[in-house]
Amino acid sequence: AQSVTQPDIHITVSEGASLELRCNYSYGATPYLFWYVQSPGQGLQLLLKYFSGDTLVQGIKGFEAEFKRSQSSFNLRKPSVHWSDAAEYFCAVGLSGGSYIPTFGRGTSLIVHP
Amino acid sequence: NAGVTQTPKFRVLKTGQSMTLLCAQDMNHEYMYWYRQDPGMGLRLIHYSVGEGTTAKGEVPDGYNVSRLKKQNFLLGLESAAPSQTSVYFCASAGLEQFFGPGTRLTVL
Repeated sequence: AQSVTQPDIHITVSEGASLELRCNYSYGATPYLFWYVQSPGQGLQLLLKYFSGDTLVQGIKGFEAEFKRSQSSFNLRKPSVHWSDAAEYFCAVGLSGGSYIPTFGRGTSLIVHP
Repeated sequence: NAGVTQTPKFRVLKTGQSMTLLCAQDMNHEYMYWYRQDPGMGLRLIHYSVGEGTTAKGEVPDGYNVSRLKKQNFLLGLESAAPSQTSVYFCASAGLEQFFGPGTRLTVL
């Protein structure tokens, strides 16, 4: 069965600093990969996705992520964090074929200091 | 294009009461899902549907029932609410990526 690991429960950064949130998955083939963001009291919003092709994908709000097959990782990055980026971030893995049941990581809470 | 909508947004129940949460999507998606989100637990799949008239159990189905009579709607029912069902419930629909509703915050006293 596929699994998704977000090793950092909380990350604290200063406004203007760079950010990297880690995501590792376990599955033999290349899955579909997603990052979602959840602001307090809100639903999940898709930041970016990877299906195939260029392994560096650009998303909304200045975020990007890089798929590294050799490391089974799909880390999320942002060069300069804004206070409004404080939220919960979820990595998810979806598989093609059969029933489509994406697997979510437990989430990483981002705290931004002024 | 409203995306995924959920009704109601908030609800307080007493133990033993029943209720139905409604999810609607206007993207013609085949797949729909119900999740619950609890602090420190991430998202847990309750039930899902791969098309009109179909439903299947997810990770935490006990105490919940669902129906997908129309493609655009996915209903989640609690027949006899328990305090352990206090949670935030999210509905989602999917083509290849999931689109989430805004959530329903349910408190069972």
